[in-house]
Amino acid sequence: GIQVEQSPPDLILQEGANSTLRCNFSDSVNNLQWFHQNPWGQLINLFYIPSGTKQNGRLSATTVATERYSLLYISSSQTTDSGVYFCAVSWMDSSYKLIFGSGTRLLVRP
Amino acid sequence: KAGVTQTPRYLIKTRGQQVTLSCSPISGHRSVSWYQQTPGQGLQFLFEYFSETQRNKGNFPGRFSGRQFSNSRSEMNVSTLELGDSALYLCASSLSLGFTDTQYFGPGTRLTVL
Repeated sequence: GIQVEQSPPDLILQEGANSTLRCNFSDSVNNLQWFHQNPWGQLINLFYIPSGTKQNGRLSATTVATERYSLLYISSSQTTDSGVYFCAVSWMDSSYKLIFGSGTRLLVRP
Repeated sequence: KAGVTQTPRYLIKTRGQQVTLSCSPISGHRSVSWYQQTPGQGLQFLFEYFSETQRNKGNFPGRFSGRQFSNSRSEMNVSTLELGDSALYLCASSLSLGFTDTQYFGPGTRLTVL
């Protein structure tokens, strides 16, 4: 099956700093999403981005499908950005499965 | 539009018991999928339902089962609970089958097995 790897596993930032989170995947995908899991466990959808670039406020994401990676950019980080960021993919040969990476745990300090 | 709802939010059971969790998708969504999240295994796919039919199942034992009703609401059942079943169970809904569009997650049910 497809492999999904996220890096870095942990990240500590000072408020106001910028960061880039990476997601590598081992096969062609027809769905790629970025999620933020808050301290209460809720997964918040950030982007549906199987290819291309999208922006939403301080967050943006880029997926280069041909090179099998996606990047999530967080600019001017705030303490509320803390939590775990997951990348999840569904791939072309799958039978309707969404596979999650192991996540990047982000801590933003005031 | 209301989001995905899950009930109950917290549950404590003992080994050997069974449990039923419920998920109500976003209005108009016909696909419901379930996931288990544990510290050791991360987020793992359990199954997906679309139009009252199970479309795919993850690598979980037969003790894990589910169903979907005509209004798209879904339930999952775990029988003969084991300590290792303690986890956060998340459900997600989407418009179409096959994970080709955005998945929206509910707040989860945190199950503790004693």
